[in-house]
Amino acid sequence: EDQVTQSPEALRLQEGESSSLNCSYTVSGLRGLFWYRQDPGKGPEFLFTLYSAGEEKEKERLKATLTKKESFLHITAPKPEDSATYLCAPFTPDKLIFGTGTRLQVFP
Amino acid sequence: SAVISQKPSRDICQRGTSLTIQCQVDSQVTMMFWYRQQPGQSLTLIATANQGSEATYESGFVIDKFPISRPNLTFSTLTVSNMSPEDSSIYLCSVEDLLGTGNTIYFGEGSWLTVV
Repeated sequence: EDQVTQSPEALRLQEGESSSLNCSYTVSGLRGLFWYRQDPGKGPEFLFTLYSAGEEKEKERLKATLTKKESFLHITAPKPEDSATYLCAPFTPDKLIFGTGTRLQVFP
Repeated sequence: SAVISQKPSRDICQRGTSLTIQCQVDSQVTMMFWYRQQPGQSLTLIATANQGSEATYESGFVIDKFPISRPNLTFSTLTVSNMSPEDSSIYLCSVEDLLGTGNTIYFGEGSWLTVV
C-alpha cells in the first residue's frame, strides 16, 4: 500500500533559524514528487516538482531535494511570512498521494 | 501557470440542502480534479472530471452525493448533495497543467463549506 509520511508534524523556528522538513514515501510506480505550501483556509500553492533522485530545485529561501525514498524541503533563514503548512505529494501516472503536512511557524 | 477561480470561497449551509461549487480555469485543460480536505486532514481525491465523459469517482465517493459537470475545457462544477455536518470541509478544484518539461498540478483557492 502506498504511504507518505511527513515529519515533523509541527515545527517552530526563530526567524533566521534554518531547518529541514522531511517527506518519506513508499509508492509503487513513482514518477515524481510535488511540494506545496498551504495557508490556513486556502488551496495549496505549487512550489516544486522533482522527478529523479539527486534532483534539486530552489525558490527564494526554499530548496527541495529528492532521494529514492525521501524528499527534503530546506528552509534557509526563514521569515515569519514563511509560516504555513508544507505538503508533499508523490505522484504516479494515476494519482497523487498527499502527506498530512508539516505546520511551520516562524517567530520574529 | 494556470489560474483557477472557485466560487463560493466559503459558505454556511443548512443540513439537508445542496450546494454547487464552480471552478473556472483561465486556459483549456484536459484533466480537472475535485478534492476534499476535512479539518486538520490532508487532501483526498473525490473524482476526476474530463470534458465529454462521465466523471471517475474514487472509492468512498458516489455520483449521487457528489454530482460533477464538465461542460467544456475551462469549467467544472461539483455539487455536494443532501449535506450533513460531516461534509464540512474545504473543497478544492485542481488542474493538470502540462509544461514543456513535465506536468504540474495547480489548485484553486478552495471553497470552505460549513454545514450546520
